[in-house]
Amino acid sequence: ETGVTQTPRHLVMGMTNKKSLKCEQHLGHNAMYWYKQSAKKPLELMFVYSLEERVENNSVPSRFSPECPNSSHLFLHLHTLQPEDSALYLCASSQGLSGFDNEQFFGPGTRLTVL
Amino acid sequence: QKEVEQNSGPLSVPEGAIASLNCTYSDRGSQSFFWYRQYSGKSPELIMFIYSNGDKEDGRFTAQLNKASQYVSLLIRDSQPSDSATYLCAVKQDRGSTLGRLYFGRGTQLTVWP
Repeated sequence: ETGVTQTPRHLVMGMTNKKSLKCEQHLGHNAMYWYKQSAKKPLELMFVYSLEERVENNSVPSRFSPECPNSSHLFLHLHTLQPEDSALYLCASSQGLSGFDNEQFFGPGTRLTVL
Repeated sequence: QKEVEQNSGPLSVPEGAIASLNCTYSDRGSQSFFWYRQYSGKSPELIMFIYSNGDKEDGRFTAQLNKASQYVSLLIRDSQPSDSATYLCAVKQDRGSTLGRLYFGRGTQLTVWP
């Protein structure tokens, strides 16, 4: 256990559904991240939040909508997804953004399948 | 685009051997470097980080950094079957719009056979 939890662990949804992924960190960190991991591709950063403010949106389609209500919780709202959005979605947190040794701790991920 | 390149493998070594994992990066402004291990179906976990040229040792693991050559490696001594996993190299800049961001390679799959 890294102190970062994600729910659900598995999700199957149709292209017209709306669902949300939840991430919670119990480490007292100030920064949280969403990553997408697809087969044969590097981890792709989607969003970065620092102190509940979005500091980066890495050209992610609008069908993905993040929400950070406080420094411990991060959501990813999904709507009208495409089959190519099927992937492992990882949440991570860190103490802040800067620092050479600023480790990111990953949650277990949500395996998403879009039919 | 910040590029981080790793040999995808698979790299296969016998138990007890030294496994050598390599990573190159394109941005000379990169400041710190992380090695993550990811078991199949699991999330990445940090093994070690390095930000100064030279070697850094932690148990059976040694990270090596050469900023002039833009090269970072991870050596695993006395490899064990439990080391079988995908190893991800990540590079960090600490400036401007990339503050806090990690750039990952595709990972190298390592298999240690008994």
